[in-house]
Amino acid sequence: QVQLVESGGGVVQPGRSLRLSCAASGVTLSNYVIHWVRQAPGKGLEWVAAISGDGHSKYYADSVKGRLTLSWDTSKNTVSLQMDSLGLEDTAVYYCATEGGTSGKCGFFNYWGQGALVTVSS
Amino acid sequence: DIQMTQSPSALSAFVGDRVTVTCRASQSISNWLAWYQQKPGKAPRLLISKASSLESGVPPRFSGSGSGTEFTLTITSLQPDDFATYYCQHYESYFPTFGQGTKVEIK
Repeated sequence: QVQLVESGGGVVQPGRSLRLSCAASGVTLSNYVIHWVRQAPGKGLEWVAAISGDGHSKYYADSVKGRLTLSWDTSKNTVSLQMDSLGLEDTAVYYCATEGGTSGKCGFFNYWGQGALVTVSS
Repeated sequence: DIQMTQSPSALSAFVGDRVTVTCRASQSISNWLAWYQQKPGKAPRLLISKASSLESGVPPRFSGSGSGTEFTLTITSLQPDDFATYYCQHYESYFPTFGQGTKVEIK
């Protein structure tokens, strides 16, 4: 059974940084494209970023481009999301998810973590 | 970017009712559409991919249809466990986008 676990969430001041991690059990994470999706309190789902299994392809939503950076730590079977220059609008639960299938360009998300809450507040 | 619009944004229904949720894309996405169910405090759960392909373990009362720009999620005979928020998501290209969600509540 595939299980994803996010960690690193917390409360951070505007302009500061935070690093989230997505770890997996039951699967070698680098065999997948890994996506991050966030959900602001009481709001809908927003795709944020994705990284290919080999790390060569990375995609970012316009709303986070230049501030968020994805990377692999294959020795730990984890993906990290470095978030810099955080703003109030970045307050959300951040989910990592595996890509379960693809159109050839992008995919849908079949396994999800439980989410990590990031609160940006002064 | 491709925009996804769901309707209605919320609905009330009785147990046993047939429920239909519509998702429209701002341009053709072929059948590259997924549906998710989300309950409060939980991660989304994948129900359907490629517009109509039911995921393993999802009850057959859920079905999806459509192609191009218009899609539907149908729940026949709504069950108590089905009260949740449902989202569509296109994956025709980067950047994938979700509909705004449809909250299904108990009448």
